[in-house]
Amino acid sequence: DIQMTQSPSTLSASVGDRVTITCRASQSLSNWVAWYQQKPGKAPKLLIYKASTLESGVPLRFSGSGSGTEFTLTITSLQPDDFATYYCQQYSSQLTFGGGTKVEIK
Amino acid sequence: QVQLRESGPGLVKPSETLFLTCSVAGSSISSGYYWGWVRQPPGQGLEWLGAVYHGVDTSYKSSLKSRVTISVDTSKNQFSLKLQSVTAADTAIYFCARSQCSYALCPFDLWGQGTLVTVSS
Repeated sequence: DIQMTQSPSTLSASVGDRVTITCRASQSLSNWVAWYQQKPGKAPKLLIYKASTLESGVPLRFSGSGSGTEFTLTITSLQPDDFATYYCQQYSSQLTFGGGTKVEIK
Repeated sequence: QVQLRESGPGLVKPSETLFLTCSVAGSSISSGYYWGWVRQPPGQGLEWLGAVYHGVDTSYKSSLKSRVTISVDTSKNQFSLKLQSVTAADTAIYFCARSQCSYALCPFDLWGQGTLVTVSS
């Protein structure tokens, strides 16, 4: 099975900060990576797929990049609504989620 | 508007079988998407369990393959999860979801609200 290692596990940031979350895969994925946002008590929300394609309705401050084994999610100017947990997911071979990154208020 | 809703017992005894159903409204379950299950133990991360396409193809997480069955009931427009021989480690919120792609297993763009299943005697 493909493993997804996400870092950091927790990130403290302030409104307006630029935030970057990284995901490393145990083998090459081409660009078959997605990113989700999850808030407490809610289902995950798809933000990005194919490593860099923004899902409809997702704010432009979210962006994704990477290919092969290393991928990043960037939030250019953190907003109050963005404090949440973020997960990467590979879908090159079945599906695997990363361990998650909690973005908390500094 | 497509909506998914999980239903099933909130409490299951150890060694027994967990059975959940996901009802799909606003779309036919035969419409060419993969439908899947994801779980999340309290305070922990997400774990993909498996998915089914049209009742024709299924895909399961390797480590759970011997215990998991996902099936489709087209007459009721729903799909289900069966997890055998449960232990306390199977206590989690269980989500059903729809893959965003037609005819392929892709990220999930539609989710149910989730249902908590506790394994305890």
